[in-house]
Amino acid sequence: QSALTQPRSVSGSPGQSVTISCTGTSSDVGGYIYVSWYQQHPGKAPKVMIYDGSKRPSGVPDRFSGSKSGNTASLTISGLQAEDEADYYCCSYAGTYTWVFGGGTKLTVL
Amino acid sequence: EVQLVESGGGLVQPGGSLRLSCAASGFSFSSYDMNWVRRAPGKGLEWISYISSSGRTINYADSVKGRFTISRDNAKNSLYLQMSSLRDEDTAVYYCAREWSLVMWGQGTLVTVSS
Repeated sequence: QSALTQPRSVSGSPGQSVTISCTGTSSDVGGYIYVSWYQQHPGKAPKVMIYDGSKRPSGVPDRFSGSKSGNTASLTISGLQAEDEADYYCCSYAGTYTWVFGGGTKLTVL
Repeated sequence: EVQLVESGGGLVQPGGSLRLSCAASGFSFSSYDMNWVRRAPGKGLEWISYISSSGRTINYADSVKGRFTISRDNAKNSLYLQMSSLRDEDTAVYYCAREWSLVMWGQGTLVTVSS
């Protein structure tokens, strides 16, 4: 399975909005609702921020939102805060009980 | 408390074997499909294995197929990953994750393959 394509890095100032893209194919992102986004701080376990494309678990601020168009999913973080600085990964179900992750995006809050 | 706790990581020589465990608590483990995911140093997350709630359906990433075996014991609320023929590139933090949407993760256990 080929990894989903994410930008290696994005940045923004506090209070601004950033969007991280995740591009796959019709066999993964474009074919299923099971697209998730994870935040990972150094030395910590990944934390789900968005699942099933646009659902937000309880406890995740509504500053985080997810969407999908065709074979590309997106994570938007509005009102950037210093604690949002982390690595972000997208993940999609890819059929036949397989999953594929993106390469990860490093978010820097300037 | 709802949680997943991995254990069993450590230092192992190339070609060696190791068994990881993931203990579930605070929820009905037998109702959920489970996955193993890893992150190698300096690299991103990699899905490596899936098992259905009953244990009847299993799958692996090509990178570990034939070397790793996933299993579960619903009576013990535990998930396992038997790793054999370990290679340097298997060095990683291994996580168990719940459900198709991988909405819940353990804290991870470090496996280091080195001579």
